[in-house]
Amino acid sequence: NAGVTQTPKFQVLKTGQSMTLQCAQDMNHNSMYWYRQDPGMGLRLIYYSASEGTTDKGEVPNGYNVSRLNKREFSLRLESAAPSQTSVYFCASSEVGGRVADTQYFGPGTRLTVL
Amino acid sequence: DAKTTQPPSMDCAEGRAANLPCNHSTISGNEYVYWYRQIHSQGPQYIIHGLKNNETNEMASLIITEDRKSSTLILPHATLRDTAVYYCIVRPRGNTGKLIFGQGTTLQVKP
Repeated sequence: NAGVTQTPKFQVLKTGQSMTLQCAQDMNHNSMYWYRQDPGMGLRLIYYSASEGTTDKGEVPNGYNVSRLNKREFSLRLESAAPSQTSVYFCASSEVGGRVADTQYFGPGTRLTVL
Repeated sequence: DAKTTQPPSMDCAEGRAANLPCNHSTISGNEYVYWYRQIHSQGPQYIIHGLKNNETNEMASLIITEDRKSSTLILPHATLRDTAVYYCIVRPRGNTGKLIFGQGTTLQVKP
């Protein structure tokens, strides 16, 4: 039982390049989330998926797209990377889509630098 | 959404109890209080949550005031490995389960 896994762990991009961050969970959770964390800051929600087949914007969605590929996988895509997207990206999952109090389980993060 | 206020930093001696306060004076009746922590750039880790009663688990205790406007996370015997940023979060209304993280409290456990 690996929990939440993220790939890659580190990535360096040039401005304008694109890439996809991958996230998978093996806990059969309904909901999945993408956050970013800038240095010295708390986490901010980018996008979330309350259940398979649905996605919604969070606090800071601009410049990103997501795909809930299946119940296990939730990917985050940067179509044209910008230096402002330099950050640590965390994926999380939770068991219930929000009707009751639930807890989120986080992956180890992807450290992205955009030059 | 209810917002939280936490002190930016606290120190605690190893082996002593660490008491981390959180103010959430605008909390609504159906909103829960969650505590997470983040150890040195790792992914955040769930600690405990509660609605109105005090809660205890193997990691910590959560004391919520009767008016629910504030709460305290208690680590009964802090160790050096408890050095982390602790986030008090009030879960927003709605069926999304999303969490809004503030700045948190940096707890430094000292030998």
